[in-house]
Amino acid sequence: ILNVEQSPQSLHVQEGDSTNFTCSFPSSNFYALHWYRWETAKSPEALFVMTLNGDEKKKGRISATLNTKEGYSYLYIKGSQPEDSATYLCAFNYGGSQGNLIFGKGTKLSVKP
Amino acid sequence: ETGVTQTPRHLVMGMTNKKSLKCEQHLGHNAMYWYKQSAKKPLELMFVYNFKEQTENNSVPSRFSPECPNSSHLFLHLHTLQPEDSALYLCASSTHGTPRASGNTIYFGEGSWLTVV
Repeated sequence: ILNVEQSPQSLHVQEGDSTNFTCSFPSSNFYALHWYRWETAKSPEALFVMTLNGDEKKKGRISATLNTKEGYSYLYIKGSQPEDSATYLCAFNYGGSQGNLIFGKGTKLSVKP
Repeated sequence: ETGVTQTPRHLVMGMTNKKSLKCEQHLGHNAMYWYKQSAKKPLELMFVYNFKEQTENNSVPSRFSPECPNSSHLFLHLHTLQPEDSALYLCASSTHGTPRASGNTIYFGEGSWLTVV
C-alpha cells in the first residue's frame, strides 16, 4: 500500500517565525511530487510540482526541496504571516497518470499575529 | 477563483433521495476528477475522465455514478447514499490525465459539502 506521510500534523507559530514541514513518500516509481495550500472554505491551490531529484522551487516566501532517492520533500515558509495559515498538502505521483496521485493528510499551519 | 466551479456548495439529502453534484471547468482542460475528503482522512481519488472517457474508478460503490458529457462538465449522481458518505466532494481538472501529464498541475474547485441524513 502506497503511503504519503506528512509531519507535523499541525503547527502553531508566531508571525515572523520561519517554519518547515516534511512530506515522506515511497522512493520507487517516482514521477512527481505536488504541494498544495488549502485555506478553509477555499479550493486547494497548487504551489509546486516537482519532478527531478534535487529540485528546489520558490514562490515568494515559500520554497520546497525534493529528494527522490530517500523519498522526502521539505516545504519552507520564511517569516510566516497570518495569511499563510492553511493546510499544506503534498501528493505523490507514482504512475505518471494524474489518476495516480496519493495525498498526505496535510500539515495544518496556524500563524498568530 | 481557480476556474473550476462546483454546485451546490452544500447539500443535505436523505438516504432514499437522488441528487447530483455538478462541476464545470473554464480552463480548456481535457481531464476531470472527483475526489472525496472525509474527516481525518487524506484526499481520496474517486473517478478520472480523460477526453470524456472514464479512465479510473477507484473501487467506488455504485451508489455514486459519474457522468462526463463533455470535457468541461462533470457530474456525480448520488442515489441511496449512507450517512458515512457524508464528506466534502472536490472536483478537479488538468490539461491531461495521461502518463505524460505527471508534472501537470491539478486545479481544484471549492468542493461540495454533502450531508446524508
